[in-house]
Amino acid sequence: NAGVTQTPKFQVLKTGQSMTLQCAQDMNHEYMSWYRQDPGMGLRLIHYSVGAGITDQGEVPNGYNVSRSTTEDFPLRLLSAAPSQTSVYFCASSKQTEPRTEAFFGQGTRLTVV
Amino acid sequence: LAKTTQPISMDSYEGQEVNITCSHNNIATNDYITWYQQFPSQGPRFIIQGYKTKVTNEVASLFIPADRKSSTLSLPRVSLSDTAVYYCLVGDLDDKIIFGKGTRLHILP
Repeated sequence: NAGVTQTPKFQVLKTGQSMTLQCAQDMNHEYMSWYRQDPGMGLRLIHYSVGAGITDQGEVPNGYNVSRSTTEDFPLRLLSAAPSQTSVYFCASSKQTEPRTEAFFGQGTRLTVV
Repeated sequence: LAKTTQPISMDSYEGQEVNITCSHNNIATNDYITWYQQFPSQGPRFIIQGYKTKVTNEVASLFIPADRKSSTLSLPRVSLSDTAVYYCLVGDLDDKIIFGKGTRLHILP
């Protein structure tokens, strides 16, 4: 049981490049989300999904796209990378049941845009 | 979404009990209170969740007064390894899971 797996762990991009951060979970969780964390800051919600085919914006969605074609996968796409997107990105998943219990986080992707 | 307020940072010594209080004046009837712990270079980890009164697990206790406008995370006999950022979250199934800035807890020898 791997939990939440994020790939890659590290990535360097040039300004204007695009890429996809991968997130997969094997716990059959309905709820998945993406956060970014800048140095010394808390986590900010980018996008989230309450199930396959359903996504919604979080606090800081601009510059990012998501899709949820399966329960297991929730990729995050950077369309045209900017230095302001340099950050650590975390993916999380949790059950969509009452109460919503613990969210499980991946180990993060450290992205640098130069 | 109910906003939460917690101290930015706290210091304590090994072996002490640490209490971190979170204020959530606008908590809704359906909201649960959840605490997470985050070590450097790692994703947050669930610690404890509660709705009212007291909840205890092997890691911590959570105290919630009757009006539910605040909650206190209690860590018994802390060690150096408890140095981390602790986040208080309030919400229910219909809410986005929003993190604040958290409380940086520094345990001193």
